[in-house]
Amino acid sequence: EAGVAQSPRYKIIEKRQSVAFWCNPISGHATLYWYQQILGQGPKLLIQFQNNGVVDDSQLPKDRFSAERLKGVDSTLKIQPAKLEDSAVYLCASSLGGGREQYFGPGTRLTVT
Amino acid sequence: AQSVTQLDSQVPVFEEAPVELRCNYSSSVSVYLFWYVQYPNQGLQLLLKYLSGSTLVKGINGFEAEFNKSQTSFHLRKPSVHISDTAEYFCAVIPPNTGNQFYFGTGTSLTVIP
Repeated sequence: EAGVAQSPRYKIIEKRQSVAFWCNPISGHATLYWYQQILGQGPKLLIQFQNNGVVDDSQLPKDRFSAERLKGVDSTLKIQPAKLEDSAVYLCASSLGGGREQYFGPGTRLTVT
Repeated sequence: AQSVTQLDSQVPVFEEAPVELRCNYSSSVSVYLFWYVQYPNQGLQLLLKYLSGSTLVKGINGFEAEFNKSQTSFHLRKPSVHISDTAEYFCAVIPPNTGNQFYFGTGTSLTVIP
């Protein structure tokens, strides 16, 4: 069974630029999560999708971050414009119908200079 | 708000020695508890989970954890570590009625010394 795929694995941008991350969850997993993991901290949930609907985006900085999950499969997370404090690893995870076991992708390491 | 405390940010241990990584959570009600491992430049992998039943939970790679409701703890243990266990370990909880939202601790970096 293929795992959660993410791309790119690494990205370096300058502040005020925009960036997008892509996630492909495990086939058949209805629930998709995006986490932000700042160095030295645990992952923090940004947004949770159930199929193509948003379940929770209370911790998503909506003035600069946006996410979508068209057709209830792949998802993209966008930052525009980026700030220095957005430097982090962005993890995507999926679960079967909102089950309590989440499967994580390898993450995208973003560096904002 | 729910919080998870991992008391040790770094734990060095010699190969084949036992190890315990500590985790405490703040909740007076039942929660679901998890330990995840993160190897360098990789995503998180589930080690074990406690949802209900026996308080001693066995996971992959020889790890186990014990749920202690009175002390609100879920410490991770392994009787004999290997070099390959060097990684970052995260404790996480799902409080009730949160739509299965995870709250992670800050992580413990385990370094196994040959």
